[in-house]
Amino acid sequence: EDQVTQSPEALRLQEGESSSLNCSYTVSGLRGLFWYRQDPGKGPEFLFTLYSAGEEKEKERLKATLTKKESFLHITAPKPEDSATYLCAVLITDSWGKLQFGAGTQVVVTP
Amino acid sequence: DAGVIQSPRHEVTEMGQEVTLRCKPISGHDYLFWYRQTMMRGLELLIYFNNNVPIDDSGMPEDRFSAKMPNASFSTLKIQPSEPRDSAVYFCASSLRRYEQYFGPGTRLTVT
Repeated sequence: EDQVTQSPEALRLQEGESSSLNCSYTVSGLRGLFWYRQDPGKGPEFLFTLYSAGEEKEKERLKATLTKKESFLHITAPKPEDSATYLCAVLITDSWGKLQFGAGTQVVVTP
Repeated sequence: DAGVIQSPRHEVTEMGQEVTLRCKPISGHDYLFWYRQTMMRGLELLIYFNNNVPIDDSGMPEDRFSAKMPNASFSTLKIQPSEPRDSAVYFCASSLRRYEQYFGPGTRLTVT
């Protein structure tokens, strides 16, 4: 059975304290892995797509990496505005565009 | 572009009533998705369309739920009759081909 697991469930950081979020997956065939950010009361906001092991993408203080079994979202020197829930999702080979989401990691960055 | 538009943003209704949620996807996108989000179950895909045709409705909870896409710029999700356990935030998302999906702001549904 295809599974997407995110850890930790919640993360509390001091401003400037770098950390990483994990998204591990066991799927039959990966077509792509997506990272989203969700603020309270809003829809998920697209961040990155990774397609193959070894690929990396960066945006401001965020960097996403992908291996054959997991992806990491690194947050470098976070600011309070980086507080959000971060969701990863996988697109599998036979899914015709159907994303399977993880439960998310809630990140709180305090000043 | 205005992004994905959903209406209403909030809906409060009584058990047994019909509820209709509306979505306007991003112009030019050929995939449209309906999701439901709850604390217990997270984000779940209900149904999705490609070029206005339903492709996979295996996530629709039961026959009380139905979705239509009469044209490329409009879709509805209907619940009839509604039940308290349908209370959730419903998101619509659209994408071009099978790439990244862009989500609307959601409709928060409360069934009393």
